[in-house]
Amino acid sequence: EAGVVQSPRYKIIEKKQPVAFWCNPISGHNTLYWYRQNLGQGPELLIRYENEEAVDDSQLPKDRFSAERLKGVDSTLKIQPAELGDSAVYLCASSLGGTGTGEETQYFGPGTRLLVL
Amino acid sequence: SQKIEQNSEALNIQEGKTATLTCNYTNYSPAYLQWYRQDPGRGPVFLLLIRENEKEKRKERLKVTFDTTLKQSLFHITASQPADSATYLCALDIGSSASKIIFGSGTRLSIRP
Repeated sequence: EAGVVQSPRYKIIEKKQPVAFWCNPISGHNTLYWYRQNLGQGPELLIRYENEEAVDDSQLPKDRFSAERLKGVDSTLKIQPAELGDSAVYLCASSLGGTGTGEETQYFGPGTRLLVL
Repeated sequence: SQKIEQNSEALNIQEGKTATLTCNYTNYSPAYLQWYRQDPGRGPVFLLLIRENEKEKRKERLKVTFDTTLKQSLFHITASQPADSATYLCALDIGSSASKIIFGSGTRLSIRP
């Protein structure tokens, strides 16, 4: 079974440029998460989807970040315009279900390492 | 505000000994707590999940305890091996009506031969 797929693996852009990340979750997983991880820190949740609905986007900087999960499968995360402080690893994860379902285990992709110059 | 502290930024253990990592939290009553392993350049990998009504969980050489009174979880690796060297993250679901996951900053564990 394929794991969570993310692309690109690495991205270098200049500040003020747009950037997009793509995630393909494990087949059948209803819940999809986007995290940002800074060096030496744990992942920080940006947005969580239950199927195609964003159920928690309280940590998503909505002035420059946007996300979508069309048809409840693949998802994209976009930053426009990027700032120097956005340099981080962006992780996508998926799980069969959310809290109380017994299927909370998250499976992470390898991440996209973003460097904003 | 909620806070998770993983004691010891780095832990160095002699091979064969038991490594014990700590996760302390404040202000919330999580429905469950998870432990993940993360190697450099890779995403976290799930290890164990323990629910609020469970005191202990085991999986091979791994053991997790969960004390909701102390608001603390301990993660043990027995008979540690150099291959266990990695960063270990704890994560809590602090949501009430809906899931809300927060991660600690991790503890970097090194097992020396």
